[in-house]
Amino acid sequence: GALVYQYPRRTICKSGTSMRMECQAVGFQATSVAWYRQSPQKTFELIALSTVNSAIKYEQNFTQEKFPISHPNLSFSSMTVLNAYLEDRGLYLCGARERGAYEQYFGPGTRLTVL
Amino acid sequence: GDSVTQTEGLVTLTEGLPVMLNCTYQSTYSPFLFWYVQHLNEAPKLLLKSFTDNKRPEHQGFHATLHKSSSSFHLQKSSAQLSDSALYYCALRPGGSNAKLTFGKGTKLSVKS
Repeated sequence: GALVYQYPRRTICKSGTSMRMECQAVGFQATSVAWYRQSPQKTFELIALSTVNSAIKYEQNFTQEKFPISHPNLSFSSMTVLNAYLEDRGLYLCGARERGAYEQYFGPGTRLTVL
Repeated sequence: GDSVTQTEGLVTLTEGLPVMLNCTYQSTYSPFLFWYVQHLNEAPKLLLKSFTDNKRPEHQGFHATLHKSSSSFHLQKSSAQLSDSALYYCALRPGGSNAKLTFGKGTKLSVKS
């Protein structure tokens, strides 16, 4: 079956430092990968959508300078939170989908705590 | 832009009673609608998705019907179970677009015995 793994599951970083998180798709080709943030008391905010061989599209309020994303192949993507501050706390979810498929599969998320 | 509005906050039910979680949407294009369920410390999982031919999707006793006239995709179940306690998210994806999903704020369902 189709599975999505995310590493690490939980992480703590000091304010002003950076943190990299990874997303791995197994059992299908992750043609597109969407990164979301679920902040305390909020729903899922789309950060950016990455499609292999296309430019990464960032949503309003999110930038490549703050959340650089790499999507080098059909099974892996990573995102870094640069210069993290308190407002960056939350659960970061990776949702991957295969071209032409209906369903987007989610990983369990990386929970970021900023001290 | 696209938006999803669903029953907000906490819904508490007694086991065996019917479940109905509301979801309405706004979208420029004819969208696909989804319900995701997220149990504690787990990834959101797809529960239901809308069909284009007015079929009623069903899964684990849950069902939802897409009503374009009222822009709704309410989630229903005839009899709640304790294991149904979770967060439920309604989401839409515009027809013909890529994988961008717009989520509602989520409804926490708590089923008690």
